[in-house]
Amino acid sequence: AQSVTQPDIHITVSEGASLELRCNYSYGATPYLFWYVQSPGQGLQLLLKYFSGDTLVQGIKGFEAEFKRSQSSFNLRKPSVHWSDAAEYFCLSSGTYKYIFGTGTRLKVLA
Amino acid sequence: DTAVSQTPKYLVTQMGNDKSIKCEQNLGHDTMYWYKQDSKKFLKIMFSYNNKELIINETVPNRFSPKSPDKAHLNLHINSLELGDSAVYFCASSQDSQGPQHFGDGTRLSIL
Repeated sequence: AQSVTQPDIHITVSEGASLELRCNYSYGATPYLFWYVQSPGQGLQLLLKYFSGDTLVQGIKGFEAEFKRSQSSFNLRKPSVHWSDAAEYFCLSSGTYKYIFGTGTRLKVLA
Repeated sequence: DTAVSQTPKYLVTQMGNDKSIKCEQNLGHDTMYWYKQDSKKFLKIMFSYNNKELIINETVPNRFSPKSPDKAHLNLHINSLELGDSAVYFCASSQDSQGPQHFGDGTRLSIL
């Protein structure tokens, strides 16, 4: 069965520090993978997507993610976090008419 | 211009009532979705339409009925509202059934 795991419910980092949010998927084939960000009271904004090809994908707001087939992972990274990055982050796995979100990781940024 | 717009933004009503949430997208997308986000922020797909045809109908009580009058609209009607229906409902659209989804700002439904 298709599933998505985000092992970290909460992550706290200092402003300027690097960030990595983990996402592991389970799917028979290679799914399409996405990262979304949700600010309080807002909808979800697409950060980046992976369909095929280059396993390191660049997104908006300085984010990038790396697809690793051997680890069934699609981790999100940012080299230097800004206070405005504080939000909830969701990983989405999309298969044939299957859309599974991870449970989300809440990011807190310390000044 | 708002790409995916939902109305109303907030909906407060009593148990047993019937209510509708409307969604419109101006992106020219073929596929639209309804998601439910519960109090723990968990997002679960409810329905998906592609070119006005229902392609996903997850395990959702039949009190929930989606309607797509055209490709740009996907409305959600809920009968006999229950306390457990309190949540944020998100509409989304994508170019096709695999493409990145664009989300509306959500409708916060509160049942008294």
